[in-house]
Amino acid sequence: AQRVTQPEKLLSVFKGAPVELKCNYSYSGSPELFWYVQYSRQRLQLLLRHISRESIKGFTADLNKGETSFHLKKPFAQEEDSAMYYCALSGRNTGNQFYFGTGTSLTVIP
Amino acid sequence: DTGVSQDPRHKITKRGQNVTFRCDPISEHNRLYWYRQTLGQGPEFLTYFQNEAQLEKSRLLSDRFSAERPKGSFSTLEIQRTEQGDSAMYLCASSLAFTRDRDKYNEQFFGPGTRLTVL
Repeated sequence: AQRVTQPEKLLSVFKGAPVELKCNYSYSGSPELFWYVQYSRQRLQLLLRHISRESIKGFTADLNKGETSFHLKKPFAQEEDSAMYYCALSGRNTGNQFYFGTGTSLTVIP
Repeated sequence: DTGVSQDPRHKITKRGQNVTFRCDPISEHNRLYWYRQTLGQGPEFLTYFQNEAQLEKSRLLSDRFSAERPKGSFSTLEIQRTEQGDSAMYLCASSLAFTRDRDKYNEQFFGPGTRLTVL
């Protein structure tokens, strides 16, 4: 069965420190992985997706099929990164359904 | 076009009443998704449309829930005989399938949500 696990509900880091938000998944086949972000009082929006291989707002995420992980990383956290982050999975085996993790609330301490 | 819109933003109803929510997607988007989100959880997939066809429906979705997208544009989600457990945020998202731009394919744009409270 398809599943997305985000083990940390809450994560606090100091400004300028590295940050890593963990995401593990369960999927048979080739998944599409995404990170969505929700800033305070804003709607959910796409941060990045693994096929883009881009760095968005300094964040990167690498799909590791061996470890079935798609961790989100940023070398130097900024206060404006404080938000709720959701990892999501889709693919042909899900019939284009999206499966979201439970989210990680990131707080960057000034 | 200012993005995906949902109406109403808040709905309070009594148990047993029927409620209907509306979602207006981004105009050129042919896919439309409905999700439910409760406190401390991520969005949970309910159903999705490609144009006017409802292609997938969650097996967890009760028969009290029905969704339509009659002309392939806006969509409605109806909940009949509401229960207290239906209290949640209902999210709508739209996306563009069949695009050559790989980065835009199936990128979901979310609406602000409708918060339902069942008393």
